[in-house]
Amino acid sequence: KAGVTQTPRYLIKTRGQQVTLSCSPISGHRSVSWYQQTPGQGLQFLFEYFSETQRNKGNFPGRFSGRQFSNSRSEMNVSTLELGDSALYLCASRLENRPVAFFGQGTRLTVV
Amino acid sequence: AQKITQTQPGMFVQEKEAVTLDCTYDTSDPSYGLFWYKQPSSGEMIFLIYQGSYDQQNATEGRYSLNFQKARKSANLVISASQLGDSAMYFCAMREYNDMRFGAGTRLTVKP
Repeated sequence: KAGVTQTPRYLIKTRGQQVTLSCSPISGHRSVSWYQQTPGQGLQFLFEYFSETQRNKGNFPGRFSGRQFSNSRSEMNVSTLELGDSALYLCASRLENRPVAFFGQGTRLTVV
Repeated sequence: AQKITQTQPGMFVQEKEAVTLDCTYDTSDPSYGLFWYKQPSSGEMIFLIYQGSYDQQNATEGRYSLNFQKARKSANLVISASQLGDSAMYFCAMREYNDMRFGAGTRLTVKP
């Protein structure tokens, strides 16, 4: 069974640009969450989607947005990139009635 | 206030010995879950073990066990018979309501 797949693995963007990251969950998992990991702030929850609906959102500015498609794949978008957005972005998926989330390998975003 | 506290930024253990990584938490949700994840240098978060707040017995998964002391709000991870491949960051996490929060992590180094 394939795990959570995140693309791309690495990304370099310029300040002010926008970026879209993709996450394909484990087959059958309909819940997808996104996290930002930085050395200073650690792991922070961005948002969670289930059946194409955002269920929960962390404390991030509106520049961070996401969506989920009918096949449960999810994308997150960051507009008007700032240097502080440089981070490892992790996606996790889980079954609806199970507590354990399984993570992808992450997308390492560098903003220059 | 911190929801998840990991007081050990770094730990060293000799190969084949056991090690305990500390985690304390704070929540008002009566139904919560506690998790431990391992993050090697590659970045992927690997699920290790889960404990539900209503579980009577401590969770075990192979060489990993979770020492759950509900009254003290602690959920320490015990790794028995440490291996060189156990060297990594270890994160304690809690799911409460619809939120997932992570501690700052403990860097474990296994010495040969």
